[in-house]
Amino acid sequence: SQKIEQNSEALNIQEGKTATLTCNYTNYSPAYLQWYRQDPGRGPVFLLLIRENEKEKRKERLKVTFDTTLKQSLFHITASQPADSATYLCALWRYSSASKIIFGSGTRLSIRP
Amino acid sequence: GAGVSQSPSNKVTEKGKDVELRCDPISGHTALYWYRQSLGQGLEFLIYFQGNSAPDKSGLPSDRFSAERTGGSVSTLTIQRTQQEDSAVYLCASSLARVANEKLFFGSGTQLSVL
Repeated sequence: SQKIEQNSEALNIQEGKTATLTCNYTNYSPAYLQWYRQDPGRGPVFLLLIRENEKEKRKERLKVTFDTTLKQSLFHITASQPADSATYLCALWRYSSASKIIFGSGTRLSIRP
Repeated sequence: GAGVSQSPSNKVTEKGKDVELRCDPISGHTALYWYRQSLGQGLEFLIYFQGNSAPDKSGLPSDRFSAERTGGSVSTLTIQRTQQEDSAVYLCASSLARVANEKLFFGSGTQLSVL
């Protein structure tokens, strides 16, 4: 069955450093991969989308890579700030007549001042 | 409003009772998803509506769960004979789905507590 794995342990990073989160998938050939941010008590908020033919996508301090050979995406936050503390979720979608978007379990990121 | 609206925001019910959760998607969005999120966990897919197509119900955990979407807009998720393990946050999301990979817009969820 399809499986999406994110680091279940919380990631603690010193302010100003680069945070790197990992999303691995098996038994799946996604066409698109998305990253979302979720704050406590709120629904996830879309951050970035990367396509299977793209290696890297950037948005301000965020960078996402997509390696279809390794079946892995990395999500980077450079110059991290305490306000970046949240749970980050990856989500996958593949070509199909009615394919749904499925999510990983998320990684909680804490940026300490 | 401009966003996805879910009601109620909190629901406390007794084991064995039926509950209905409502989702108002963003106007014009043709795709609608329901997910369930248990404490500290990721999003578990429940059901997906896309336009007039038959819904993908493959994530519904049991036949106590059902959902409908009337007029291609508002959706209701119904849980019959609730059990304690049904306690979770139920999240609704919608998207334009002009292409199927469109980003999702989420509501704030309904926190369901089954006593």
